[in-house]
Amino acid sequence: KQEVTQIPAALSVPEGENLVLNCSFTDSAIYNLQWFRQDPGKGLTSLLLIQSSQREQTSGRLNASLDKSSGRSTLYIAASQPGDSATYLCAGLYNFNKFYFGSGTKLNVKP
Amino acid sequence: DAGVIQSPRHEVTEMGQEVTLRCKPISGHNSLFWYRQTMMRGLELLIYFNNNVPIDDSGMPEDRFSAKMPNASFSTLKIQPSEPRDSAVYFCASSFNDGSEQYFGPGTRLTVT
Repeated sequence: KQEVTQIPAALSVPEGENLVLNCSFTDSAIYNLQWFRQDPGKGLTSLLLIQSSQREQTSGRLNASLDKSSGRSTLYIAASQPGDSATYLCAGLYNFNKFYFGSGTKLNVKP
Repeated sequence: DAGVIQSPRHEVTEMGQEVTLRCKPISGHNSLFWYRQTMMRGLELLIYFNNNVPIDDSGMPEDRFSAKMPNASFSTLKIQPSEPRDSAVYFCASSFNDGSEQYFGPGTRLTVT
């Protein structure tokens, strides 16, 4: 069974800091990996999707990388802002269009 | 684009009642997913459809749960009879094709008393 793990479960940083969120997966036969953001009481907002043939994707202050051989993906957030405070989830896509989600990292950026 | 639309946003019902959740995927998307999110179990895939056909329903917890997709623009998730342990947030998501980026709806918060 594919497992996706996110550590730490919670992270608190001061505004302006660069930070890295981690996502690890047990099965390297991953097709895609997608990063989401979830605000309290809201749905999931897609941030970045990395295809298995890619190593990274960038959008604004966000950069996500994928290393299939080590079973890891990272989400880098540059110059963090209080508005970045949310829960960040990663999801790995395996066969038959089935995404497996991590339990998320709750980020708090302090002003 | 209006995004994925779900209704109702909140549902409170008594144990034993039938509950129907509704979803309208993004126009042109041919894959639709139903998820359930709880504090204890996180986000779980219940069922997904491709071109209106159920492909994998292995995540549906019990026979009390059923899902349909009568056409490309509408899907329902039904719980009959509902139980307190079904209380959760139910999300619908859609994507353009297999393996592409998923877009989530705002969710339906279900409370069964």
